[in-house]
Amino acid sequence: GNSVTQMEGPVTLSEEAFLTINCTYTATGYPSLFWYVQYPGEGLQLLLKATKADDKGSNKGFEATYRKETTSFHLEKGSVQVSDSAVYFCALTIQGAQKLVFGQGTRLTINP
Amino acid sequence: EAEVAQSPRYKITEKSQAVAFWCDPISGHATLYWYRQILGQGPELLVQFQDESVVDDSQLPKDRFSAERLKGVDSTLKIQPAELGDSAMYLCASSSPGTSGANVLTFGAGSRLTVL
Repeated sequence: GNSVTQMEGPVTLSEEAFLTINCTYTATGYPSLFWYVQYPGEGLQLLLKATKADDKGSNKGFEATYRKETTSFHLEKGSVQVSDSAVYFCALTIQGAQKLVFGQGTRLTINP
Repeated sequence: EAEVAQSPRYKITEKSQAVAFWCDPISGHATLYWYRQILGQGPELLVQFQDESVVDDSQLPKDRFSAERLKGVDSTLKIQPAELGDSAMYLCASSSPGTSGANVLTFGAGSRLTVL
């Protein structure tokens, strides 16, 4: 089946630290990969996406590269801010299907 | 910027009562999804509509949950009777085929249900 596994949280960092949140996937076919972010009390917002192997998605200083050989899509940011505190979800869709399959989420807290 | 509208934002109900959630997708989006997000977990798909037709309801507990999208625009998700385990955030999303080939879902703010 299709599934996504994220590193367990919570993750707590100091402001300006380097961030990595690991994400690996299992999929039949050729998935598109996504990172969504959920700020407190809000719905999910698309952060970035990649649709084929070796694509790099980027937005707001966050990056993730679609690695087919390791079935991974790790989220990185060079210098985090307090405002980045949120829950981050890795997700996939399979070509020909439209629904998103989510990982369990990783709660990130950035301390000043 | 276009948004997916959901109501109510918060609902507290007693078990065995009926509850309903409403969703208005982005105009022109043919595909509508209802997800359930239990605290501390990732969202799970309950039902997916293409226009007014259900294309996936394999994870919808059909003994107590129902969903409809009669005119292919807005949608209602109903629970009757509610159980304690139904306490969760109910998220609605909509999408249209992306020019990049990826199907991007836009989510509403969600409806948080607490069953007492």
